[in-house]
Amino acid sequence: AQSVAQPEDQVNVAEGNPLTVKCTYSVSGNPYLFWYVQYPNRGLQFLLKYITGDNLVKGSYGFEAEFNKSQTSFHLKKPSALVSDSALYFCAVRDYGGYQKVTFGTGTKLQVIP
Amino acid sequence: DTEVTQTPKHLVMGMTNKKSLKCEQHMGHRAMYWYKQKAKKPPELMFVYSYEKLSINESVPSRFSPECPNSSLLNLHLHALQPEDSALYLCASSEIAGGGNEQFFGPGTRLTVL
Repeated sequence: AQSVAQPEDQVNVAEGNPLTVKCTYSVSGNPYLFWYVQYPNRGLQFLLKYITGDNLVKGSYGFEAEFNKSQTSFHLKKPSALVSDSALYFCAVRDYGGYQKVTFGTGTKLQVIP
Repeated sequence: DTEVTQTPKHLVMGMTNKKSLKCEQHMGHRAMYWYKQKAKKPPELMFVYSYEKLSINESVPSRFSPECPNSSLLNLHLHALQPEDSALYLCASSEIAGGGNEQFFGPGTRLTVL
């Protein structure tokens, strides 16, 4: 079985400060990991993914995420937050075992304060 | 074209109505998905089509009936819905189902059942 946890319902950060949105996962094999962002009344937008290789993954809009196998984590980061980054962020996992379903986390609302 | 389009954007229907949601992509993707999303919750998978064949049905009630007429189109036929079916319905596509393939989401159809 695969699962993903986002322990924070909301993260508040001041504009210009670094931000981190946390995600931990559980799979039976190796994971495929994804981050998506959702703005109000919109669909989800893909940010970045980890498949294999470098543990630091760079994605859209200056976001990056670090895969940590020992801690089963895939935290989303950005060096300097923008007010426009305020949105709902979802972490997702798919087990390498091949099942087609992606499991989404419960989401973290990011609020960037001007 | 890297866009998934959905029509209509908004739909209000009574419990005895029959309506359809439409989704289209021209990225050559061979996997298409329907999700249901309640406010501030993660998307819940409903159906997966792979190479125009239904490959996953997440025990969705029969009042929801999916159809994939060709590789670019996905429909969701609605009949005798309940008020609790009111939600944002998201369509998504990916190159193929499974693996490390990210999904591209449409903007969704906001459905209200009276």
